[in-house]
Amino acid sequence: AQKVTQAQTEISVVEKEDVTLDCVYETRDTTYYLFWYKQPPSGELVFLIRRNSFDEQNEISGRYSWNFQKSTSSFNFTITASQVVDSAVYFCALSEAYNQGGKLIFGQGTELSVKP
Amino acid sequence: DVKVTQSSRYLVKRTGEKVFLECVQDMDHENMFWYRQDPGLGLRLIYFSYDVKMKEKGDIPEGYSVSREKKERFSLILESASTNQTSMYLCASSFGGQTNYGYTFGSGTRLTVV
Repeated sequence: AQKVTQAQTEISVVEKEDVTLDCVYETRDTTYYLFWYKQPPSGELVFLIRRNSFDEQNEISGRYSWNFQKSTSSFNFTITASQVVDSAVYFCALSEAYNQGGKLIFGQGTELSVKP
Repeated sequence: DVKVTQSSRYLVKRTGEKVFLECVQDMDHENMFWYRQDPGLGLRLIYFSYDVKMKEKGDIPEGYSVSREKKERFSLILESASTNQTSMYLCASSFGGQTNYGYTFGSGTRLTVV
């Protein structure tokens, strides 16, 4: 069965601190996709990154970086030098490659609060 | 700018009313989805559709139905609204095919049933 676990419900940091959001997934498929989405207070989920299971390279985009480790079934997200605008709920999601309709299974979300 | 548009941002309905939540996308996406979001529970899939007139139950379909008569529009129907259906409802769409590029989401509809 597919499952995504984000064990951290809430994280609070002070601006300029680095913060890592954890994501652990379960799947029996060898081909799958992993995603991160950001939900700011306005409510709309915004796509951040997509990774397929054959690409374990870490990714960096500005202050954001992602660490994908198949050995531990984890896809963690780090924000370097956090800013107040990073305050949001962050969701990790999993999709097995051949499921009809391309359904995503989401974790429970981590609410990040960055204080000035 | 490509979009998924949900007809209402906020709705207040009475118990027992029939409620329609509308979602329209302009990206020619094959797949469309309805999720509800509740604190501590994340996003839970209610129904999805991978083609016109096709619909599949998600994890929590009870109390809901859907309609997809045109490719761009996917409606969620609460046949008889109840207070436990008070929630944030999110519509999303995506391309079909084996490569999953992820969803585009609407802004959400916050429904309160009183």
